[in-house]
Amino acid sequence: ETGVTQTPRHLVMGMTNKKSLKCEQHLGHNAMYWYKQSAKKPLELMFVYSLEERVENNSVPSRFSPECPNSSHLFLHLHTLQPEDSALYLCASSQDLGEELNTEAFFGQGTRLTVV
Amino acid sequence: SQQGEEDPQALSIQEGENATMNCSYKTSINNLQWYRQNSGRGLVHLILIRSNEREKHSGRLRVTLDTSKKSSSLLITASRAADTASYFCATVRMDSSYKLIFGSGTRLLVRP
Repeated sequence: ETGVTQTPRHLVMGMTNKKSLKCEQHLGHNAMYWYKQSAKKPLELMFVYSLEERVENNSVPSRFSPECPNSSHLFLHLHTLQPEDSALYLCASSQDLGEELNTEAFFGQGTRLTVV
Repeated sequence: SQQGEEDPQALSIQEGENATMNCSYKTSINNLQWYRQNSGRGLVHLILIRSNEREKHSGRLRVTLDTSKKSSSLLITASRAADTASYFCATVRMDSSYKLIFGSGTRLLVRP
């Protein structure tokens, strides 16, 4: 248990559906991240939030829409996804961002997403 | 773009043997971190080494960093079957304070 909780753990959705992934941390961290992990590919950084403000959008298609209503919660809203978007979506948090990111990232268990 | 590249991609050893995994990166870094991932689950932080450090130990783990060669190694001594997992290096670049960039990982199998 890392202190970062993701729900749901598994999600199957059709290409016309709208769904949301949720991430929650009560570690007092100020930074939160979304990563995508596809088979045989490196983890891809999607979004970074610091103090509820998005500081990084790594060329992610608009069918992925993040939301950070407060420093403890992070959402990833999904709509009109493609089968190639099927992957493990990982949320992480860290104490802060800064010139020296000398703190570790704590990961949730991930949401296994399948787009059919 | 991918920053860290681990090798080998896969490693199979007998329980009790040592496992060495390597990571190479391209740009100047602030620090380098190693993570472990059990199949289909989240990543767990193992150890962080700063750019001004050359070696660090944590239990059975030993990490080295050579900034001149832009490479790091993770050594797991006296491996156990429970060490079976994927291991990733991740770097924080000097030019992007918040980008924790991961490599493709090394899949380690420790045979009992």
